[in-house]
Amino acid sequence: EIVMTQSPATLSVSPGERATLSCRASQSISTNLAWYQHKPGQAPRLLIYGVSTRAAGIPARFSGSASGTEFTLTITSLQSEDFALYYCQQYNDWGTFGQGTKVEMK
Amino acid sequence: EVQLVQSGGEVKRPGESLTISCKAVGFSFTNYWIGWLRQMPGEGLEWMGIIYPDDSDTRYRPSFEGRVTISADKSSNTAYLHWTSLKASDTGMYFCARRHHSGAFVVIWGQGTLVTVSS
Repeated sequence: EIVMTQSPATLSVSPGERATLSCRASQSISTNLAWYQHKPGQAPRLLIYGVSTRAAGIPARFSGSASGTEFTLTITSLQSEDFALYYCQQYNDWGTFGQGTKVEMK
Repeated sequence: EVQLVQSGGEVKRPGESLTISCKAVGFSFTNYWIGWLRQMPGEGLEWMGIIYPDDSDTRYRPSFEGRVTISADKSSNTAYLHWTSLKASDTGMYFCARRHHSGAFVVIWGQGTLVTVSS
């Protein structure tokens, strides 16, 4: 099974700053990588798929990139509504999720 | 608004049966793969299985085969997840989801149903 490792577990960021979240796959997953945002008590939300394609309605401050098996979600100029838990997921076969990165206010 | 609305949390005893539901709102239920994901306490998310409501084609992740049953009712745009005999290890949050047509990622999520199994 492909293991997805997210880092850091918690990221403390001030509003207006940039947040960089990492996700590493244990083996090649091509471009089958998605990112989700999850706030307590709400349904998670798809942000990015195919490494870098923003889902419908997702602001341009969210972007995704890759280098081999290392994947990055960047949130430029963090807004108050962006403080949440973020998951990456590889979607080969049934897929596997990372453990998540919590973005908290500094 | 396009959404998946799940039934409320459940507290059950080991050995009991349970069915939780997921109602699709605002989109054509029969034209998408709908599935269930589990998140156990302190663990990551994982797909359990999916169903195509139009013809009830159902597929299970191997680790969940025989442990749960996924079904769908086209007349009410509702998907279900059923256990015949719960175990304490079934405790967790369960999300229904609309899968993208080209890969096992989730386009629309339900809000989650917390299932607690305890004696």
